Amino acid sequence: AQTVTQSQPEMSVQEAETVTLSCTYDTSESDYYLFWYKQPPSRQMILVIRQEAYKQQNATENRFSVNFQKAAKSFSLKISDSQLGDAAMYFCAYLSGTYKYIFGTGTRLKVLA
Amino acid sequence: GAGVSQSPSNKVTEKGKDVELRCDPISGHTALYWYRQSLGQGLEFLIYFQGNSAPDKSGLPSDRFSAERTGGSVSTLTIQRTQQEDSAVYLCASSRGGGGDTQYFGPGTRLTVL
Repeated sequence: AQTVTQSQPEMSVQEAETVTLSCTYDTSESDYYLFWYKQPPSRQMILVIRQEAYKQQNATENRFSVNFQKAAKSFSLKISDSQLGDAAMYFCAYLSGTYKYIFGTGTRLKVLA
Repeated sequence: GAGVSQSPSNKVTEKGKDVELRCDPISGHTALYWYRQSLGQGLEFLIYFQGNSAPDKSGLPSDRFSAERTGGSVSTLTIQRTQQEDSAVYLCASSRGGGGDTQYFGPGTRLTVL
């Protein structure tokens, strides 16, 4: 069965600095999708970034980028120039060719002014 | 609508009562999902709809939980004879289709069972 592991329950970063959130997963499939979602106190899960496993190029969205290492089954999220509004829970998620997301337990990110 | 909406935002109920949680997906999205998020936990898959059919109900924790979807749109999650362990945030998501489509989430319903 697929699993997703986020080993950092909490991280802190100074405003304007860079932080990397870790995610590893376990799967025997070759075709799948990986996501990072942000959940602020409002509870709304917001898509941050999406990566297709067949693409070797790392996805980027403005200040957010991933380091996707397929062989190592690692999918880390880098947030550059951190802002106060980035403070939230961040969830890594795996999706195979079906529909069932498998989520990690999340990393709480604190941004220090 | 512009996004997934859920109602109520918060629900407090007494143990043993039935509750209904509602989800309005993004217009045109055929797939709809329910998840449960307990305090400090990740998201637990409950059920998936494609149109009005639910091909996968494997995540429903017990027979006290049921869900339906009508008109390929609105979905209702019903919890009968609520228990304190049912207290959680219930999140709904929708996607254009199934497969690898990105799921878009609603703001959730926080259920508290006293």
